[in-house]
Amino acid sequence: DAKTTQPNSMESNEEEPVHLPCNHSTISGTDYIHWYRQLPSQGPEYVIHGLTSNVNNRMASLAIAEDRKSSTLILHRATLRDAAVYYCILWRGAQKLVFGQGTRLTINP
Amino acid sequence: AAGVIQSPRHLIKEKRETATLKCYPIPRHDTVYWYQQGPGQDPQFLISFYEKMQSDKGSIPDRFSAQQFSDYHSELNMSSLELGDSALYFCASSLGGLAGGHNEQFFGPGTRLTVL
Repeated sequence: DAKTTQPNSMESNEEEPVHLPCNHSTISGTDYIHWYRQLPSQGPEYVIHGLTSNVNNRMASLAIAEDRKSSTLILHRATLRDAAVYYCILWRGAQKLVFGQGTRLTINP
Repeated sequence: AAGVIQSPRHLIKEKRETATLKCYPIPRHDTVYWYQQGPGQDPQFLISFYEKMQSDKGSIPDRFSAQQFSDYHSELNMSSLELGDSALYFCASSLGGLAGGHNEQFFGPGTRLTVL
């Protein structure tokens, strides 16, 4: 499975934008970039995914570098409920999700 | 909207006992996944089923077995329990086949297994 690298932790303030980076230099052409998050004491939940173009949904935006070797998850206005571990996952078509280390996001009131 | 249901939510067992965890996927979802998350660790894939057939296998111990039934619910059977089996066990479901390269997985709340 292709590897992703994320910072261990990040901190931000409530109502400010948050940019969560992910490096995936060994990504292949068929890898989708997925983001999941795990809130405390809950199962992971899907956030967003993309292949080549930037993507937006009600939860977040995903900015994908032109060479696809990195991506950034953008939370436009963080709330306390966004405090979670965020996982960047490359999905090559196999059904399983391979969770790496993830970024623990802390939101300050 | 209906979510993935897991039972029981908490389970306490002694070493060498057996445990059965159940998962009820979202209606019409045909694929079920099992993940194990040890204390302070990230979720690790165990096994998955598509249309009642095993579709992928991760680092699942031989002491564990699982199956998906005709109503698509799944059970994870764990025998000869060890202290190291204490973990959160998540079930997820999705709608998709073997080519589901970007299918969203919906996770249940998990079963917390404690082995004493």
